[in-house]
Amino acid sequence: EPEVTQTPSHQVTQMGQEVILRCVPISNHLYFYWYRQILGQKVEFLVSFYNNEISEKSEIFDDQFSVERPDGSNFTLKIRSTKLEDSAMYFCASHRDRSSGANVLTFGAGSRLTVL
Amino acid sequence: ELKVEQNPLFLSMQEGKNYTIYCNYSTTSDRLYWYRQDPGKSLESLFVLLSNGAVKQEGRLMASLDTKARLSTLHITAAVHDLSATYFCAVDRRGGGADGLTFGKGTHLIIQP
Repeated sequence: EPEVTQTPSHQVTQMGQEVILRCVPISNHLYFYWYRQILGQKVEFLVSFYNNEISEKSEIFDDQFSVERPDGSNFTLKIRSTKLEDSAMYFCASHRDRSSGANVLTFGAGSRLTVL
Repeated sequence: ELKVEQNPLFLSMQEGKNYTIYCNYSTTSDRLYWYRQDPGKSLESLFVLLSNGAVKQEGRLMASLDTKARLSTLHITAAVHDLSATYFCAVDRRGGGADGLTFGKGTHLIIQP
């Protein structure tokens, strides 16, 4: 079964450092997302991406965050200068389109980011 | 602001018992999603409810949707330990194509022998 692949599975970084989290969505999917989940808390929307541009972003997704799809397969999330409160599990998700009438996301296994 | 509220947030129950998790939401969306998350793992899609009155069942889990009441329920029948997990409901953020989902806080379910 096709899956969304994320790397790294765990990254530890110092506060103020840049971090790039990588995702390879399912190959025929068109819509891509990043979510985050602080330990034991709800899953929060960060950003959606379609047709090589951001479709929507939440208030969490400030100027320190950016996304890109550099080569048609990878989908990356960059945090420019990490803060302690960025420590969380970051999930990439994708779906193909709305023709089925539903917005069913397939999630990757997540990248755990620990900021010290 | 779109709100998705689940209750209870924590539930400890014995094997063999029945229970219901509730999900209330503030949008007028007619679609609702249920996901399961095992500890330290990703989110797995369980059900997609696409219209008012929709009911879906998979094994001991049954989900239903009442769009007029803006309420979905996830009913667990004769619980078994393997169903221990966190269950999230979610709704579409907007009506557009790339809207993604807004999740509730999740219901952490522990099923004890």
